[in-house]
Amino acid sequence: GAGVSQSPSNKVTEKGKDVELRCDPISGHTALYWYRQRLGQGLEFLIYFQGNSAPDKSGLPSDRFSAERTGESVSTLTIQRTQQEDSAVYLCASSRLAYEQYFGPGTRLTVT
Amino acid sequence: AQSVTQLGSHVSVSEGALVLLRCNYSSSVPPYLFWYVQYPNQGLQLLLKYTSAATLVKGINGFEAEFKKSETSFHLTKPSAHMSDAAEYFCAVSKANTGNQFYFGTGTSLTVIP
Repeated sequence: GAGVSQSPSNKVTEKGKDVELRCDPISGHTALYWYRQRLGQGLEFLIYFQGNSAPDKSGLPSDRFSAERTGESVSTLTIQRTQQEDSAVYLCASSRLAYEQYFGPGTRLTVT
Repeated sequence: AQSVTQLGSHVSVSEGALVLLRCNYSSSVPPYLFWYVQYPNQGLQLLLKYTSAATLVKGINGFEAEFKKSETSFHLTKPSAHMSDAAEYFCAVSKANTGNQFYFGTGTSLTVIP
């Protein structure tokens, strides 16, 4: 009965390094979303997975960003060659179709 | 296309006063509408949702919102603000009956003055 979990909770990395962020959705939730939240700003949609359909990648800011999801389980967001502007909290959410989303606690990424 | 506009990025109210946070949406199809709250250094938590049933929706912590189709609005209210209500509030819209994107507003930061 656990909620959405994300790991790590905090990540500090050097500019130019690759990072992987993980999201474990609620069991049975077919939809999974990634958002970015910069300090003091709203949520920026990144990518959306729905079941076995092709993901909606329209929000990914550059080709340095990619995400994968295995079936209806874990998802990984990868940022290659990190830049300082990538510093933000990355939020994952899962839902059953268009019903409310359940958010994880987020991963705070700091690029130095 | 769907979008959400939250008027007022910062709202301050006195403790005990009415809280009114504004949200207007645009949607080409009947929408589902949501309000989320984000306390400092925490994730987002659902306050309430409208999914085409009663237009006046009651949520947690004494908050409620009214769906007004004619005004394309879904404003969040609480009769009496409490110090613990200080947080960031986000309005969101999704298409009804589809597994599709959620669109979030830019958020409104609520400050409660003692």
